[in-house]
Formats: sequence, structure tokens, C-alpha cells
Amino acid sequence: GQQVMQIPQYQHVQEGEDFTTYCNSSTTLSNIQWYKQRPGGHPVFLIQLVKSGEVKKQKRLTFQFGEAKKNSSLHITATQTTDVGTYFCAGPSDNNNDMRFGAGTRLTVKP
Amino acid sequence: GAGVSQTPSNKVTEKGKYVELRCDPISGHTALYWYRQSLGQGPEFLIYFQGTGAADDSGLPNDRFFAVRPEGSVSTLKIQRTERGDSAVYLCASSPQQLDTQYFGPGTRLTVL
Repeated sequence: GQQVMQIPQYQHVQEGEDFTTYCNSSTTLSNIQWYKQRPGGHPVFLIQLVKSGEVKKQKRLTFQFGEAKKNSSLHITATQTTDVGTYFCAGPSDNNNDMRFGAGTRLTVKP
Repeated sequence: GAGVSQTPSNKVTEKGKYVELRCDPISGHTALYWYRQSLGQGPEFLIYFQGTGAADDSGLPNDRFFAVRPEGSVSTLKIQRTERGDSAVYLCASSPQQLDTQYFGPGTRLTVL
């Protein structure tokens, strides 16, 4: 089935620094979802992007969907220790039945 | 309201044994998904139910794995002749409808000795 690739695999930042993770697909996606998983927890839905070039913001988090709908990014401004976790993107499978997850970007924040 | 629940939270079994993992989705959610997550990896798709039927079981690794959702609500993932490589966290998620927001349960940590 369809795969979404995420980079980087790991990111370690100093508190207050910005952070960006990227999600790429070889095929056009009808939508893309972002999830956050805290250490020891389960994935929690953050947002869904549907439109080409769409940009959505949630406080310090900015989500973007590429014009070609093949890539997406999540940017966190001025990271805090509460941002620690793994961020996953998910896109529809080839048959459009279900969502397939990327491998995630693990963010650690040094106070 | 209540979220997705999964039981047991932890399961330790011996190689070759049979296990059942249960998922109680959010009431009214028609879509239900099973994933497997190994340490440091993303959720790996196993199977998707729309109502009572398995709409996509292409992620099941082999015929030792089977899942049911007989009444369109609770689902059970069944693993026969468990192997050490089956050790992982098994996550269940439900959605109001296909491709909608997924609400994950806390997972069942399966350890095969």
C-alpha cells in the first residue's frame, strides 16, 4: 500500500528552538493527518489537511499541505518540554480504505 | 464520553500459545482499525473494519492472525501459535467514518516468551 516517508527520524532541540518535520508521498494524497504520541502513550490526533496549499495553525504548531498534495510539514515554534514525543503523519492507502502511518519523527527537548 | 478501550493492557504468553486481544470502540463509530507498533516504529496497519465486515485485511502478516467484529462494535484480534516476533503493542482505533479522525485506545502490550 501507499507509504508516506517522514524526515528526520530523530530531532533533538534546545528548549525555545524551532522544530520541523516533513512528510512525503510519491502519490497525490486526498488528505493527510498528523498525530502526536507521547512516550508510553498512544497516538493522538492533531489535525487533518485536505486542500492544496492549506495552512493551519494550532497555537505554536503550523501545519502545511503542499500545492501538489504530495508533501506536508509540521513546524513548532519555540519548543517546550511538553512538545516531547513522536509526531506521525498518515495518508490514505492506495485503495483509499484506510490511513497508513509514516515512521514518525521523535522529538526530544532539552530544558 | 468514553474513549476506545482495550483489554488486556498487558499480555505475556509463551511461544505457540493462542491469544485474543479485545477492542471496545467509541459508541457509534462505524470504522475500526487494528495496528501493531514495535519500539521506535510507526503504527503498522493490520486490518480495517467498516461495520461488521473486514473491508481491508491486507496488513495481516500471515494466516495466524485473524480479527472479527461480529456486531459492528467490539472487535477481537486473534493470534494463533504465537511467535516471539509477534511481541509488540497492538493498537486499536475507531473513527466515525472511513478516513476520518482516528481515536486510539491505550493498546495491548503483547510479550511472547
